Amino acid sequence: IAGITQAPTSQILAAGRRMTLRCTQDMRHNAMYWYRQDLGLGLRLIHYSNTAGTTGKGEVPDGYSVSRANTDDFPLTLASAVPSQTSVYFCASSDGLAGSEQFFGPGTRLTVL
Amino acid sequence: QKEVEQNSGPLSVPEGAIASLNCTYSDRVSQSFFWYRQYSGKSPELIMSIYSNGDKEDGRFTAQLNKASQYVSLLIRDSQPSDSATYLCAVPGLQMNTGFQKLVFGTGTRLLVSP
Repeated sequence: IAGITQAPTSQILAAGRRMTLRCTQDMRHNAMYWYRQDLGLGLRLIHYSNTAGTTGKGEVPDGYSVSRANTDDFPLTLASAVPSQTSVYFCASSDGLAGSEQFFGPGTRLTVL
Repeated sequence: QKEVEQNSGPLSVPEGAIASLNCTYSDRVSQSFFWYRQYSGKSPELIMSIYSNGDKEDGRFTAQLNKASQYVSLLIRDSQPSDSATYLCAVPGLQMNTGFQKLVFGTGTRLLVSP
């Protein structure tokens, strides 16, 4: 079934630990995105990638890094997790045309203690 | 002014009624508009896209766009308890010189449909 997968589904992490959230899509979409969603704040863009090999910063990039080695994968890394990074993280993809709709993965619920 | 504004709700309607969800946006040049449905604990799911003024119907859902007034609405006819969810409006933001154009999401309206 075509779509976006994310792993893990949920994770509890000690502060200071490194964590990579995985995202894979099989729709051959050019663009991919990482969002965090917090109660009352809605979806906030962390990082994006227009195409393989390029990445850009969104609204809240601090403490996060991404890479886009190929079309399908777009991992998000927390180098040293802090409690304020407790959130639900969604990966999304789109065909990359300006203003096109995005399709979301199932999300990762991350708790940093 | 926020780029995309929605009433957070909850909007409560009885089963079988019409639910009307509204969204206003600030960027006059936006050309595409999207409605997402998000069930509690799940990810946003695209349910409607609209690109031109007027109405677009898909089953029980109708999206209405008025670019002059800068609002887009979603009507749900014959509302069902299974429609209870948060509905997010999304509008493309400013296009950057890299060609990237993000989607700006509203914070969503929570809809409750009572049996």
